[in-house]
Amino acid sequence: EAGVAQSPRYKIIEKRQSVAFWCNPISGHATLYWYQQILGQGPKLLIQFQNNGVVDDSQLPKDRFSAERLKGVDSTLKIQPAKLEDSAVYLCASSSHHSQNEKLFFGSGTQLSVL
Amino acid sequence: QKEVEQNSGPLSVPEGAIASLNCTYSDRVSQSFFWYRQYSGKSPELIMSIYSNGDKEDGRFTAQLNKASQYVSLLIRDSQPSDSATYLCAFLDTGRRALTFGSGTRLQVQP
Repeated sequence: EAGVAQSPRYKIIEKRQSVAFWCNPISGHATLYWYQQILGQGPKLLIQFQNNGVVDDSQLPKDRFSAERLKGVDSTLKIQPAKLEDSAVYLCASSSHHSQNEKLFFGSGTQLSVL
Repeated sequence: QKEVEQNSGPLSVPEGAIASLNCTYSDRVSQSFFWYRQYSGKSPELIMSIYSNGDKEDGRFTAQLNKASQYVSLLIRDSQPSDSATYLCAFLDTGRRALTFGSGTRLQVQP
């Protein structure tokens, strides 16, 4: 079974530039998450999709971050314009269903450095 | 804001010893708790889940849950250098239907 795929693996940009990250979840997984992990901290949920609908985006800075999952499969997270404090690892995760005991499968992440 | 509190460490133990990792959480309603291991530069991987008060054992790992005290712990027996990693505690936020993570405890197992 293929895992959660993310790209790119690393990205370096200057502040005020834009950047996009891509995620392809495990086949058949209905729920997709984007987490932000700043160095030394735990992952923080940015947005959660159930199929192609948004379940929770309460911690997404909507003035600069956007995300979509148009066909209920892969997803794109965009930052425009980036700030220095956006430097972090962006983790995509998926799970098979919206269950209380669901197991999250994480991708390898995209490490973003904003200079 | 529902939270998870963990000691950041590092927790240093000699090889073969028992490592004890602790976590407190603020969500009184949550029924699901998880321990993830994260090696440096890697993504988190699930090592234990626990849903009922008491102990749950899986190989060298034992998770302990006390809902009344809002406390969950992870014991690693016969610690190995390969166990050196950051251990993240998480609970399922029932309101948001997503995991809330602590900042993690860094474990160092000395050969």
